[in-house]
Amino acid sequence: GQQLNQSPQSMFIQEGEDVSMNCTSSSIFNTWLWYKQEPGEGPVLLIALYKAGELTSNGRLTAQFGITRKDSFLNISASIPSDVGIYFCAGRVPRSGNTPLVFGKGTRLSVIA
Amino acid sequence: DSGVTQTPKHLITATGQRVTLRCSPRSGDLSVYWYQQSLDQGLQFLIQYYNGEERAKGNILERFSAQQFPDLHSELNLSSLELGDSALYFCASSVVGTSGGDTGELFFGEGSRLTVL
Repeated sequence: GQQLNQSPQSMFIQEGEDVSMNCTSSSIFNTWLWYKQEPGEGPVLLIALYKAGELTSNGRLTAQFGITRKDSFLNISASIPSDVGIYFCAGRVPRSGNTPLVFGKGTRLSVIA
Repeated sequence: DSGVTQTPKHLITATGQRVTLRCSPRSGDLSVYWYQQSLDQGLQFLIQYYNGEERAKGNILERFSAQQFPDLHSELNLSSLELGDSALYFCASSVVGTSGGDTGELFFGEGSRLTVL
């Protein structure tokens, strides 16, 4: 089945720094999504991408759908303590009908004030 | 608040037992997905229902089963529980697009944490 490789696995950064994480796939995806999960909560959708090359922002977050359709990037600018959490990428392969999302294993972000 | 409700939030049981996890999707969402999240693992897709019918199956064990009822709530049944079944179980519902299809944007509940002793 499809696999998503998400990197880095964890990051420790200083408050105010920019963060970059990425996700690669062995298969072509037609949808990329980024989620954030905080302790004790379910994942929350941050950004959804539907077209190759698409660049979308949500506040300090920016994500891109790679041109090859096999990767996606998430950047967080000027990090703050509340950015702490696990960030998951998720993708969906192009196929007739509804196919479930495949999730990466997550990037655990720690922000040092 | 995502609008997806899961009960119970926590459950502790013994090996060999059977439990039922319940999920109410967001109002208007027809799709329900079940995912399992083990310690330090990502989200593993178990099963999807759309408007009462099974739509897709992932790595769901034969000891596990699910259904979606006419009012669109869903239940995940876990039987003959083993220690390795201890995990967070998430339900998610999906936005229906303008064409009637699933957009893939999932909204997750807060999860049910199952501990098998």
